[in-house]
Amino acid sequence: NAGVTQTPKFQVLKTGQSMTLQCAQDMNHEYMSWYRQDPGMGLRLIHYSVGAGITDQGEVPNGYNVSRSTTEDFPLRLLSAAPSQTSVYFCASSQGQGVSNEQFFGPGTRLTVL
Amino acid sequence: KQEVTQIPAALSVPEGENLVLNCSFTDSAIYNLQWFRQDPGKGLTSLLLIQSSQREQTSGRLNASLDKSSGRSTLYIAASQPGDSATYLCAVSALYSGGGADGLTFGKGTHLIIQP
Repeated sequence: NAGVTQTPKFQVLKTGQSMTLQCAQDMNHEYMSWYRQDPGMGLRLIHYSVGAGITDQGEVPNGYNVSRSTTEDFPLRLLSAAPSQTSVYFCASSQGQGVSNEQFFGPGTRLTVL
Repeated sequence: KQEVTQIPAALSVPEGENLVLNCSFTDSAIYNLQWFRQDPGKGLTSLLLIQSSQREQTSGRLNASLDKSSGRSTLYIAASQPGDSATYLCAVSALYSGGGADGLTFGKGTHLIIQP
């Protein structure tokens, strides 16, 4: 199993540009989520999904959009990038509700918005 | 709102020492608690998961305990090695409104350096 994969590894955007961060898992996990990691702030939950077709907001959802059309994929869209979105983004997955919920993380995408 | 605190923020010890990292959380209504390791510029690696009904978990030289009523967890590392140098993160999973687990709330981590 590849586990949780994320692309791209690095990205530089200009203010106002849009882009999609890709996340995929091959463990048939129901639960997937996106976090951002900032110095001094720790990791914070952006959006999560408990299954295909179901998404919900986390702690810091503004400026981001998600969808979950398949069990495997959970892309994160930046609608109009801002310098405040400069961060490292991590995707995670777990078996989900009613089971152990051990979460597995991808390697991250380092995003810089100029 | 759940808050997770990790003490100390940084720790430097000589190789071979046993050490304890601390994690506290404000809301005891958790589904489970997970300890992670993060190496510089890398993702998070899961070390131990403790369900809310459990008191401890062990993996090799690592032992994690959970006292839900007092809102505390400790990660014990025995016979530390330079390869243990990393940032250690504690995270709790809240109860999802549907009855399962919600997203993780993280502490800011303990940056650990093991001196050779």
